[in-house]
Amino acid sequence: KAGVTQTPRYLIKTRGQQVTLSCSPISGHRSVSWYQQTPGQGLQFLFEYFSETQRNKGNFPGRFSGRQFSNSRSEMNVSTLELGDSALYLCASSLGQDGNTIYFGEGSWLTVV
Amino acid sequence: AQSVTQLGSHVSVSEGALVLLRCNYSSSVPPYLFWYVQYPNQGLQLLLKYTSAATLVKGINGFEAEFKKSETSFHLTKPSAHMSDAAEYFCAVSDPGGATNKLIFGTGTLLAVQP
Repeated sequence: KAGVTQTPRYLIKTRGQQVTLSCSPISGHRSVSWYQQTPGQGLQFLFEYFSETQRNKGNFPGRFSGRQFSNSRSEMNVSTLELGDSALYLCASSLGQDGNTIYFGEGSWLTVV
Repeated sequence: AQSVTQLGSHVSVSEGALVLLRCNYSSSVPPYLFWYVQYPNQGLQLLLKYTSAATLVKGINGFEAEFKKSETSFHLTKPSAHMSDAAEYFCAVSDPGGATNKLIFGTGTLLAVQP
């Protein structure tokens, strides 16, 4: 079956703009999580959605937001982009229960100039 | 708070040699533990996970890891390195019973395999 799909794969934005990234989880998965990966900070948890509700949130400013739709697809939005937001944004999905395997997508590479 | 420490940001081995990547965790309760691999310009692929069943966990591509509670460790090993094993490896921990799939990652270990 298809894996976790993220779009777009690569994008370049200007400081001050906003960006929306999309994630389609594995069929049947109800949990979608987002992570930011940078050389300096490594892999950091942004937030998790389960059945359209935010279940957990990392330590990121309010400029970072997300949502999940009834078909479990998720989007994350970053407003007022800063240079430091340049990163690989990874989406992950799972069935959402304790100990379930968490599968990652290929990521969206965001460059802010 | 949970945390993960990966000793050695860069490890280099010869092809055919033993691979040992170290991971220590800090958690108030026995956590769930994971090893992921990331190839250049790709996402994360799960190698193996520990969820309180057998302490010796076998994963894909010949990797295995042993959960040692007394040492709070979950080191990743492979008896014989292959050139295709060159990648970055991440150890991660999650909180059992935490009603969340949040993972806390280590800083990663970049594995180089020399011919």
